[in-house]
Amino acid sequence: GQQLNQSPQSMFIQEGEDVSMNCTSSSIFNTWLWYKQDPGEGPVLLIALYKAGELTSNGRLTAQFGITRKDSFLNISASIPSDVGIYFCAGENSGGSNYKLTFGKGTLLTVNP
Amino acid sequence: DVKVTQSSRYLVKRTGEKVFLECVQDMDHENMFWYRQDPGLGLRLIYFSYDVKMKEKGDIPEGYSVSREKKERFSLILESASTNQTSMYLCASSLVYEQYFGPGTRLTVT
Repeated sequence: GQQLNQSPQSMFIQEGEDVSMNCTSSSIFNTWLWYKQDPGEGPVLLIALYKAGELTSNGRLTAQFGITRKDSFLNISASIPSDVGIYFCAGENSGGSNYKLTFGKGTLLTVNP
Repeated sequence: DVKVTQSSRYLVKRTGEKVFLECVQDMDHENMFWYRQDPGLGLRLIYFSYDVKMKEKGDIPEGYSVSREKKERFSLILESASTNQTSMYLCASSLVYEQYFGPGTRLTVT
């Protein structure tokens, strides 16, 4: 099946630092989504991207839909302790035939106060 | 706000028991999904449904079945629970591509 390669697998950073993570695929995707999962909870949608080249912000978070449509990036600026969690990318490329998403395996972010 | 609720946060069952996991969404979404999440394996799709009484197999349907009798409710059934079904189970719903997740049910099968 299709795969999304998400990197890095984990990150350990100091509070206040900026963070960058990305997701790549060998296939073209039409939609990219970024989720955050707090420990013991379900994933929460952070940002949705629908157009190649699109750059969207949500507070300190910024995500981009790669121009090749095969990648996406998520940046977090000025990290704080509550940013701790697992960040997942997800993509859709069914062309509307179904609404399934393909998920990356996640980036575990640890923020040291 | 979209709200997806799951019947239990934690569940402990014995091998061989029949297990029902319930999911309810309040946003009139057509699509509903069941995933399991295991360390190192990410989210894996078990089944999904795009309409009442409609269902499709996901990537790992073996050992599971589903029921969708009403639009807002999607149930996951483990006919005979086994220890390898110990996992975090996540339900999601969507109108189109943006999926909204419930809080998850951590199932332990002993």
